[in-house]
Amino acid sequence: DGGITQSPKYLFRKEGQNVTLSCEQNLNHDAMYWYRQDPGQGLRLIYYSQIVNDFQKGDIAEGYSVSREKKESFPLTVTSAQKNPTAFYLCASSIEMTGRRTEAFFGQGTRLTVV
Amino acid sequence: AQSVTQLGSHVSVSEGALVLLRCNYSSSVPPYLFWYVQYPNQGLQLLLKYTSAATLVKGINGFEAEFKKSETSFHLTKPSAHMSDAAEYFCAVRLSGGYQKVTFGTGTKLQVIP
Repeated sequence: DGGITQSPKYLFRKEGQNVTLSCEQNLNHDAMYWYRQDPGQGLRLIYYSQIVNDFQKGDIAEGYSVSREKKESFPLTVTSAQKNPTAFYLCASSIEMTGRRTEAFFGQGTRLTVV
Repeated sequence: AQSVTQLGSHVSVSEGALVLLRCNYSSSVPPYLFWYVQYPNQGLQLLLKYTSAATLVKGINGFEAEFKKSETSFHLTKPSAHMSDAAEYFCAVRLSGGYQKVTFGTGTKLQVIP
């Protein structure tokens, strides 16, 4: 079945460490996204990518980095510069970023906790 | 710019009763609108979308929503609630034309009482 796979499901990070969250899709979608979800705040966009080797900052990119070397993969690194990284992280993809086929398909999420 | 407001962070209904989850949007151009559902510790799943075709949109699991331009609303309804509908629901808006980011509401948690 086609879909988006995020790993790991749970991740614990010590203060000062960088961690990388994996996101892989086999939907052949061009666009991919990373969102952060905090209770009562909805989803906030961290980074997005319209195509391989291209990505753009979203609303809350500080302390995060991404790469898009392959169409299927869009890993997110949470760096030590991110002061409050504890959250639920969601990866998503869509067929396109313009037009009518922009609805997002989501992975199951990674819950990151700083210990 | 666009925004979306979901009225009521928590809604409770009895099993078999009507489900009504409210969403109002603000946009400077015709919007595309979406409803998603999220079960605990899972990702979001698309319920339905409006992209300027029919104003009454039918989605999965018996849900539907009506786009009302005059009221800037896109409320989600289901005639009869099931226990399995208990989840969090998110309304989202995107401006039409070119690339525009999607803005999500803060969510409404639906409780279904047996």
